[in-house]
Amino acid sequence: GENVEQHPSTLSVQEGDSAVIKCTYSDSASNYFPWYKQELGKGPQLIIDIRSNVGEKKDQRIAVTLNKTAKHFSLHITETQPEDSAVYFCAPHYGGSQGNLIFGKGTKLSVKP
Amino acid sequence: KAGVTQTPRYLIKTRGQQVTLSCSPISGHRSVSWYQQTPGQGLQFLFEYFSETQRNKGNFPGRFSGRQFSNSRSEMNVSTLELGDSALYLCASSLAPGRDQPQHFGDGTRLSIL
Repeated sequence: GENVEQHPSTLSVQEGDSAVIKCTYSDSASNYFPWYKQELGKGPQLIIDIRSNVGEKKDQRIAVTLNKTAKHFSLHITETQPEDSAVYFCAPHYGGSQGNLIFGKGTKLSVKP
Repeated sequence: KAGVTQTPRYLIKTRGQQVTLSCSPISGHRSVSWYQQTPGQGLQFLFEYFSETQRNKGNFPGRFSGRQFSNSRSEMNVSTLELGDSALYLCASSLAPGRDQPQHFGDGTRLSIL
């Protein structure tokens, strides 16, 4: 089955620094790569996604880069703020048109003021 | 636009009982997926429904079942509850099923088994 690895599992940064989280997947047929943010007591919130025909996508302080050859994609957060503190999940789509999202184990990001 | 609504937010049951959880998708969304989230196993896919039909199913026992109604609302049922079924059950909706359809989650139902 699909293998999704997410690193690091925890990340602590100072406010204003950048944070990068990497996700490696095994299904070469995957073509949809979302990132979710989950705050305590809430469900995962879609923050950015990318499709395989695009190498990079940016939305204000958040960006995602995709390397299909190496089968990994990364979440980049610049100018981090305390409200960015949360658990982040990558969830590449697996299994073609009848497939589903496979979630990584999550990265707990702490932004210290 | 209202998001995905899950009810109830919290449930406490005992072993052997059964439970039904409800999910109302975002207006206009016709596909509903269910996930189980636990500290040990993380987020795991249960099943997906579209047009009242189950399209896909994860690796869970037959005690876990679901259905979808003509208005796209969905329910999942767990019978003969076990301690290990304690988890956050999340529902996600998307416009349609497919490989690149963004899924939007509700805040889940926290199920505790005593």
